[in-house]
Amino acid sequence: KNEVEQSPQNLTAQEGEFITINCSYSVGISALHWLQQHPGGGIVSLFMLSSGKKKHGRLIATINIQEKHSSLHITASHPRDSAVYICAVPYSGGGADGLTFGKGTHLIIQP
Amino acid sequence: GAVVSQHPSWVICKSGTSVKIECRSLDFQATTMFWYRQFPKQSLMLMATSNEGSKATYEQGVEKDKFLINHASLTLSTLTVTSAHPEDSSFYICSARGLAGAQQYFGPGTRLTVT
Repeated sequence: KNEVEQSPQNLTAQEGEFITINCSYSVGISALHWLQQHPGGGIVSLFMLSSGKKKHGRLIATINIQEKHSSLHITASHPRDSAVYICAVPYSGGGADGLTFGKGTHLIIQP
Repeated sequence: GAVVSQHPSWVICKSGTSVKIECRSLDFQATTMFWYRQFPKQSLMLMATSNEGSKATYEQGVEKDKFLINHASLTLSTLTVTSAHPEDSSFYICSARGLAGAQQYFGPGTRLTVT
């Protein structure tokens, strides 16, 4: 089973700051997911990436397959970015698998 | 596109009763659906993998006779929690994967409280 480690677990920052959340995993994967969970529990898929870098608005996700590491960056952070950010990878590494999740990073952006 | 719905969004039931949760892919065909649960302050955990027309595959520690999964069509999977106990109180989330690719689309979740 793939093991996922995320850091930091909690992060409080001021509006406008550049945010970085890190994720490492133990087993080679087909793709890694970054998810956002709001207080009500609903989950939004932010990125699925298997190599390099993806950008969507103020969010950037990068992955280094050799080092089994990914980062999620938020530029010009805003209070509405406050949420739990979760890294997830296939359970055994393959694309057909269910996901195993990191414990999440609880992000608070203060105005 | 790629919307997944769950029903109900929350449910309260008495201990010993059964509860059915539906997961639907609204605008795509989902060959595979996954069921996850999340206890307070904990990570999401995979419970089972459901493929249309075949029996679900359960993760270690998940009782298949207690958590009945049916994936009768390419747009609907159901999870029935039988003889619910207070320790089954949790947040249950499904995800669906389409015919191509590894992208999973998540439902909004169902919060189950067993009293």
